[in-house]
Amino acid sequence: DTAVSQTPKYLVTQMGNDKSIKCEQNLGHDTMYWYKQDSKKFLKIMFSYNNKELIINETVPNRFSPKSPDKAHLNLHINSLELGDSAVYFCASSPRTSNYGYTFGSGTRLTVV
Amino acid sequence: SQQGEEDPQALSIQEGENATMNCSYKTSINNLQWYRQNSGRGLVHLILIRSNEREKHSGRLRVTLDTSKKSSSLLITASRAADTASYFCATDKDFGNEKLTFGTGTRLTIIP
Repeated sequence: DTAVSQTPKYLVTQMGNDKSIKCEQNLGHDTMYWYKQDSKKFLKIMFSYNNKELIINETVPNRFSPKSPDKAHLNLHINSLELGDSAVYFCASSPRTSNYGYTFGSGTRLTVV
Repeated sequence: SQQGEEDPQALSIQEGENATMNCSYKTSINNLQWYRQNSGRGLVHLILIRSNEREKHSGRLRVTLDTSKKSSSLLITASRAADTASYFCATDKDFGNEKLTFGTGTRLTIIP
């Protein structure tokens, strides 16, 4: 199936831990993103990568470090997790050219306790 | 901050009726997109309208765009129970910006 897949779907962890979320797309898209959706359903861009190169970093704390080993993968590593990091994190991808919709993964629900 | 605000925040209608959701945004855009999110799921792209277009159709969906008023509307005709979801508008400001900015969403409930 052509898709954006992210793992894990659920992640429950204690404050202070370090965790990673993985994302892969097999759509041949050049650009990948991480979005955060809070408890009020607000969606906010965190990072954008184009062909492994970081192009957008929306004032996200440096505890969050994206890594793109190739253009099909964009992983998110979070250090020293805080309660406020609890949210749903979505990976997405799109073609490089404009005027195309994004394809989203199914999300990772992160709960920090 | 959110680029778009959607109105209403929540909408409940009977199955078979039409549902209209509105989106307002603040800055000039390259295109505007609508997405659906079912509970606990990812967002699904529904339709994209470019800044030089005024209306677009896709199946039971009709989108309008008024760039002078910086607003858009999404009409779902002959609603079905499966249309129950949250609907988000998203704006793409300009080519090369490489990010969509999402609105606050409308929670649509279709009553069977």
